[in-house]
Amino acid sequence: GIQVEQSPPDLILQEGANSTLRCNFSDSVNNLQWFHQNPWGQLINLFYIPSGTKQNGRLSATTVATERYSLLYISSSQTTDSGVYFCAALTQGGSEKLVFGKGTKLTVNP
Amino acid sequence: EPEVTQTPSHQVTQMGQEVILRCVPISNHLYFYWYRQILGQKVEFLVSFYNNEISEKSEIFDDQFSVERPDGSNFTLKIRSTKLEDSAMYFCASLEIYGYTFGSGTRLTVV
Repeated sequence: GIQVEQSPPDLILQEGANSTLRCNFSDSVNNLQWFHQNPWGQLINLFYIPSGTKQNGRLSATTVATERYSLLYISSSQTTDSGVYFCAALTQGGSEKLVFGKGTKLTVNP
Repeated sequence: EPEVTQTPSHQVTQMGQEVILRCVPISNHLYFYWYRQILGQKVEFLVSFYNNEISEKSEIFDDQFSVERPDGSNFTLKIRSTKLEDSAMYFCASLEIYGYTFGSGTRLTVV
């Protein structure tokens, strides 16, 4: 089945810094989603992005489907950005299930 | 904005007991799912449900697990005889053209 790899596994930033999180996937996918898992365990949908670039405030994401990767940019990071960021690929055919990467744990220090 | 609602938020159960995790997905979505996340690990697919039947299930989803949509709104996951290794966060989700919406999860602790 499809493999989803995320890097880096851990990232520590000072408040105000910018960061880029990467997601590689091994096969063609129907779609790609980015999630933020907050300290309470909730999965918050950030972007649903099969290709191209989307922006939402300080966050933006770019997916290059032909090269099988997606990037999540966080600018001017805040302590509330801390948590685990997951990317997940929506598989082709079948039941449209999501295959998750292992996540990037982001810690933003004040 | 429509939400996926899960209850309870946290459940503690003794090994060997049956548990039922409940979800109310977004009503006009077509696909419904259960996913599981063992503490500190990635989120894993358990089962998908479409048109009132299971469309796909993972290796994790063995005979101890079952799903139902008994009344057209609720969507339940039952674990018949819980094991210690069933301790995890269980997420319900539904899918439409704009992507997945996840519930806030049920943290199951088996003691």
